[in-house]
Amino acid sequence: QMQLQESGPGLVKSSETLSLTCSVSGGSMSNSYWNWIRQSPGKGLEWIGYISDTGTTNYSPSLKSRLTMSVDTSKNQFSLRLRSMTAADTAVYYCARGRLEYSRSDLLGFFFGSWGQGILVTVSS
Amino acid sequence: SYVLTQPPSVSVTPGKTARLTCGGNKIGSETVNWYQHKSGQAPVLVIYFNSDRPSGIPERFSGSNSGNTATLSISRVEAGDEADYYCQVRDDNEHQIFGGGTKLTVL
Repeated sequence: QMQLQESGPGLVKSSETLSLTCSVSGGSMSNSYWNWIRQSPGKGLEWIGYISDTGTTNYSPSLKSRLTMSVDTSKNQFSLRLRSMTAADTAVYYCARGRLEYSRSDLLGFFFGSWGQGILVTVSS
Repeated sequence: SYVLTQPPSVSVTPGKTARLTCGGNKIGSETVNWYQHKSGQAPVLVIYFNSDRPSGIPERFSGSNSGNTATLSISRVEAGDEADYYCQVRDDNEHQIFGGGTKLTVL
């Protein structure tokens, strides 16, 4: 069973940069997409973006201008940097493993099979 | 961008069947996944590829998808099923889209 664990600061000042790392254990990082997803207080899940094991990235359009993701498969880790943080970025941030697969009936789908426990990040003024 | 619409809340009596819907334009042409999210815990995949169950998910959980609506059905509902449920699809730009979530209350 693959396990993921987020790490980073729980408090970030407004206008500063958030850096989070997700450590992966119990399996290989190959052939997967490594995602960040967040949930703001009282809101639903919001996909932030992913990085593949080979370094290909895909970001949410609403965050793309402030976002950088990186991966280090030798350390079994991937990271997020979100610049110019504001109060609206206060959220629980989850890392998750994404899989792009074909079903038995040849449907192509992308799903999140493993998640970290999440880390609460609060932006202070 | 693609929009998924879920009712904010659904209530059900224990032992009955809960049906949670996820609406989207021609969603029947997409593959839909469902996640159970309990407060303070990591979300859990309960249905993928519209109707497949991951290992460890009870048979009480089932999914369907047709036309403009995907549905997650939970039969013989238990108190432990109380949670927020989210549908998710992948759009044409390979962005991942979540519905707004439905809070399932077991009365």
